Amino acid sequence: NAGVTQTPKFQVLKTGQSMTLQCAQDMNHEYMSWYRQDPGMGLRLIHYSVGAGITDQGEVPNGYNVSRSTTEDFPLRLLSAAPSQTSVYFCASSYSNSGTGPNYGYTFGSGTRLTVV
Amino acid sequence: AQKITQTQPGMFVQEKEAVTLDCTYDTSDPSYGLFWYKQPSSGEMIFLIYQGSYDQQNATEGRYSLNFQKARKSANLVISASQLGDSAMYFCAMREGYGGATNKLIFGTGTLLAVQP
Repeated sequence: NAGVTQTPKFQVLKTGQSMTLQCAQDMNHEYMSWYRQDPGMGLRLIHYSVGAGITDQGEVPNGYNVSRSTTEDFPLRLLSAAPSQTSVYFCASSYSNSGTGPNYGYTFGSGTRLTVV
Repeated sequence: AQKITQTQPGMFVQEKEAVTLDCTYDTSDPSYGLFWYKQPSSGEMIFLIYQGSYDQQNATEGRYSLNFQKARKSANLVISASQLGDSAMYFCAMREGYGGATNKLIFGTGTLLAVQP
């Protein structure tokens, strides 16, 4: 089925370890983004990309790196994990904002639950 | 900068009654879109309803309607005839811009709705 695929679904890391959260979409969406969800704080934007080779920071970018070498993939890298990065991470994609309406809405992945100990 | 405010951390409603979830927003862009998402305990993000800033009528989707008051910058979600399956976290979100914008989607902190039998 078409959509956004996130891997892994669950991950436990030790403080200081590095890892990459994977996000792939097969809808030819130009826009891709990463969010973290913490209790009482909603979803906060980490990084986003408007196309291959173009990325920018969101509200909470510190401690995370991204790159966008293809339209389909937008991995999120934690270079040195900290307990404060314990969270649920969502990837979302959409067509670029060249119009309006729900057709330009967002498709979300199923999330990655990350625990840093 | 754009901002979404949801002032109700949690709400109760009796089954079959209507409930209103509040959302206010702040933006200086005359072109924007407002979204409501549902997140059940399973964690996925489910799109419910969309309202564009230039839409003349309030959006409706089945039992969901959006009470859009542009001058007051509010976009409240109304759920009619609540069902037990409506128990979930509800997020209001806003996208600024109209063509050529970044397509960033910013979320409120959410309202946890519990439907009681």
